[in-house]
Amino acid sequence: DVKVTQSSRYLVKRTGEKVFLECVQDMDHENMFWYRQDPGLGLRLIYFSYDVKMKEKGDIPEGYSVSREKKERFSLILESASTNQTSMYLCASSLWEGHPLSDEQYFGPGTRLTVT
Amino acid sequence: ELKVEQNPLFLSMQEGKNYTIYCNYSTTSDRLYWYRQDPGKSLESLFVLLSNGAVKQEGRLMASLDTKARLSTLHITAAVHDLSATYFCAVIANSNSGYALNFGKGTSLLVTP
Repeated sequence: DVKVTQSSRYLVKRTGEKVFLECVQDMDHENMFWYRQDPGLGLRLIYFSYDVKMKEKGDIPEGYSVSREKKERFSLILESASTNQTSMYLCASSLWEGHPLSDEQYFGPGTRLTVT
Repeated sequence: ELKVEQNPLFLSMQEGKNYTIYCNYSTTSDRLYWYRQDPGKSLESLFVLLSNGAVKQEGRLMASLDTKARLSTLHITAAVHDLSATYFCAVIANSNSGYALNFGKGTSLLVTP
């Protein structure tokens, strides 16, 4: 079974703090994704990566950055947390581009971040 | 820009009844996914629909895909309380999002006695 884990289930941070959210997958997947989920807005893509050290902006990258130094790990960074970044953050991974099921994504348990 | 619209967004139904959730999308795609999310939990893959006319069934849930109409349906038969959850459909976007999925806003289903 694919396992995607996230470093924290719940996190409370203060405005202006630098925040790191970690995601690790154990299935050697090339693609990894970060989403945020807000009531009434569904899931929105922040960043994704299709290879080590590669990253692409999603639909709402402002205020975020990412790091992918190793294939199994994809980190989301909030450089200076703000209250409007309070949300549920979901990490996902999928197989390499070109595989017939490359777009089936496996999700981690989520991190509920509160910025006060 | 790819748009994925689900309806209804909220659904309360009695146990034993049947109902259908609809997922429309705005651009060409021949692959569609359905996910389930329980409160406070992450997303769990339910169905992968890979071609026009595809139909998949698991227990009381059946999903179908009509790529010409850009429509997928999730049909619930004889609902039970355990089906209460939020259901998302998702479509691949042929855009600068690469292989990322575009999600609908979700349908919150509550099955009552």
